[in-house]
Amino acid sequence: GENVEQHPSTLSVQEGDSAVIKCTYSDSASNYFPWYKQELGKGPQLIIDIRSNVGEKKDQRIAVTLNKTAKHFSLHITETQPEDSAVYFCAASLSSGSARQLTFGSGTQLTVLP
Amino acid sequence: DTGVSQDPRHKITKRGQNVTFRCDPISEHNRLYWYRQTLGQGPEFLTYFQNEAQLEKSRLLSDRFSAERPKGSFSTLEIQRTEQGDSAMYLCASSFFASGSTDTQYFGPGTRLTVL
Repeated sequence: GENVEQHPSTLSVQEGDSAVIKCTYSDSASNYFPWYKQELGKGPQLIIDIRSNVGEKKDQRIAVTLNKTAKHFSLHITETQPEDSAVYFCAASLSSGSARQLTFGSGTQLTVLP
Repeated sequence: DTGVSQDPRHKITKRGQNVTFRCDPISEHNRLYWYRQTLGQGPEFLTYFQNEAQLEKSRLLSDRFSAERPKGSFSTLEIQRTEQGDSAMYLCASSFFASGSTDTQYFGPGTRLTVL
């Protein structure tokens, strides 16, 4: 089955700096890679996703890059704000018309220091 | 569109008791997923429905677990004879799947189960 590794497990940055979280996946057939943000006591919230036919996607301060050859993808948050503090999860899945079963990384606790 | 809702938000039970959780997906979403999340870990897939049909189950879903989605709308997840190892956050997600759609999964707030 798919295995997703996520690094770092904790990340502290100063407000206004950039944050980068990296994930690797094992199944070369995976073709969908979402990122979720989870605040304490809440469910994961989708913040951005990318499909394997795209190398980079950007949405305001958030961007995701995908390297299919190396089987890794990264989340970039620029101009970080205190409200960006949360746990971030990457995930990978194979979609073949059947279940889009997400395999998640173990999460990164991001702390933005004011 | 009020999002995915789950009930209850918290459940404390004694070992050996049965518990049932409910998930109401986003209206018109035809797929519904259950995940389990333990402290400090990412969610793990348990099972999924397309409309009322349960099409896939994880090996994590022991025979003490059963899920239903009788009318293709809300779903229930029942755990029989709970064990302390069942303590976790149970998350529900829903998506709309059709040929060419994104099938993006939207999560509910979860039900936190504590087994004493």
